Amino acid sequence: VLLQESGPGLVQPSQTLSLTCSVSGGSIGSGINYWTWIRQPAGKGLEWIGHTYNSGSTNYSPSLKSRVTISVDTSKNQFSLKLSSVTAADTAVYYCARAQYPGVRGVIGWFDPWGQGTLVTVSS
Amino acid sequence: DIQMTQSPSSVSASVGDTVTITCRASQGISSWLAWYQQKPGKAPKLLIYAASSLQSGVPSRFSGSGSGTDFTLTISTLQPEDFGIYYCQQATSSPLTFGGGTKVEI
Repeated sequence: VLLQESGPGLVQPSQTLSLTCSVSGGSIGSGINYWTWIRQPAGKGLEWIGHTYNSGSTNYSPSLKSRVTISVDTSKNQFSLKLSSVTAADTAVYYCARAQYPGVRGVIGWFDPWGQGTLVTVSS
Repeated sequence: DIQMTQSPSSVSASVGDTVTITCRASQGISSWLAWYQQKPGKAPKLLIYAASSLQSGVPSRFSGSGSGTDFTLTISTLQPEDFGIYYCQQATSSPLTFGGGTKVEI
């Protein structure tokens, strides 16, 4: 399975950041997987944004929940991220990744594979 | 939220050394922990999952141990290509969380 992010590299403050992750080499609807967005500001650590699973269920980071929407399009084998009302603090490399459910209730899993990442800069 | 604390934040070592990185969870997570290596400009790479299972293709000099709240990543016989930043991640409940990272310099 390979993942590839796409979307604008520059977003104006207060606008909505929109990214898409294209999945190849496997069906996004098969198995139990958590299709995930993670971001990393320059020189900083990794921040989990949220995921979609079971063809449409979602979980989001509490700190971003009011601004985030993650959706899936199984017909295109893609999932998407929308982050509204962006500020400079949202400037980061955004990664999509798959968390594989290890088959244990209450466990989500670890991330593999990852997309290559895409830099999104919030600036006017 | 489950907080993940890594130490040290950086380590400088020589080729052939053994490097140990620790990760502590703010509450018990059984063995549901993963370790990643990240190199500049690249996505993180999964090294270890379920605390001690080696991901396919990862050299055997990498090993993980621990359960509950305390975990360790050990790099034996450090190689030049092992430089980078290492992150732990708890794999249980949302929000999934990462440690702050440990920079390994050769």
